[in-house]
Amino acid sequence: EPEVTQTPSHQVTQMGQEVILRCVPISNHLYFYWYRQILGQKVEFLVSFYNNEISEKSEIFDDQFSVERPDGSNFTLKIRSTKLEDSAMYFCASMERNRVKDEQFFGPGTRLTVL
Amino acid sequence: AQSVTQPDIHITVSEGASLELRCNYSYGATPYLFWYVQSPGQGLQLLLKYFSGDTLVQGIKGFEAEFKRSQSSFNLRKPSVHWSDAAEYFCAVGRPIQGAQKLVFGQGTRLTINP
Repeated sequence: EPEVTQTPSHQVTQMGQEVILRCVPISNHLYFYWYRQILGQKVEFLVSFYNNEISEKSEIFDDQFSVERPDGSNFTLKIRSTKLEDSAMYFCASMERNRVKDEQFFGPGTRLTVL
Repeated sequence: AQSVTQPDIHITVSEGASLELRCNYSYGATPYLFWYVQSPGQGLQLLLKYFSGDTLVQGIKGFEAEFKRSQSSFNLRKPSVHWSDAAEYFCAVGRPIQGAQKLVFGQGTRLTINP
């Protein structure tokens, strides 16, 4: 069964460093998302992406964040200068089409630890 | 703004017992409603969803949920739990509009099963 994959499963970085979290969505999906979950808190929407541009972003998704689909398979989230408060589990999701009742499929997450 | 409340952070039930996980939402209209489950090391898996029509929806793994508009609730139920149901459960809402959906999640309920 097709699934969303994410690498790495755990990333440890120093404050101020850049990190890139990688996701491989399901191959025929067109809509892509990043969510995050700070330990003990809710899963929060960060950004949605379609047709090589951002569809919507939350207030969390500031200038330190960027997303890219560099090729036909990967979808990346970059944090330019990490802060301690960026430590969280980051989930990638994808959806096949722009049909209201379609399901978002989630990856297993990348745990980011900023020291 | 949309919001979701899951009042129970942690629930413990015995194997074979019935289960009900609570979810309340706040939204100006009837949103789309979802329940996701996350097992350790896994992504979020969709259990069931409600868009319209019959207020009792059936999902995978023997789960069902009932939408109650008057109570703004979408509680998840299972008549008899299995040890494999131990996981984190998330309720989520989406806007009932066309487009790249963002989901708003509750804080999650961790389910522990006693043998």
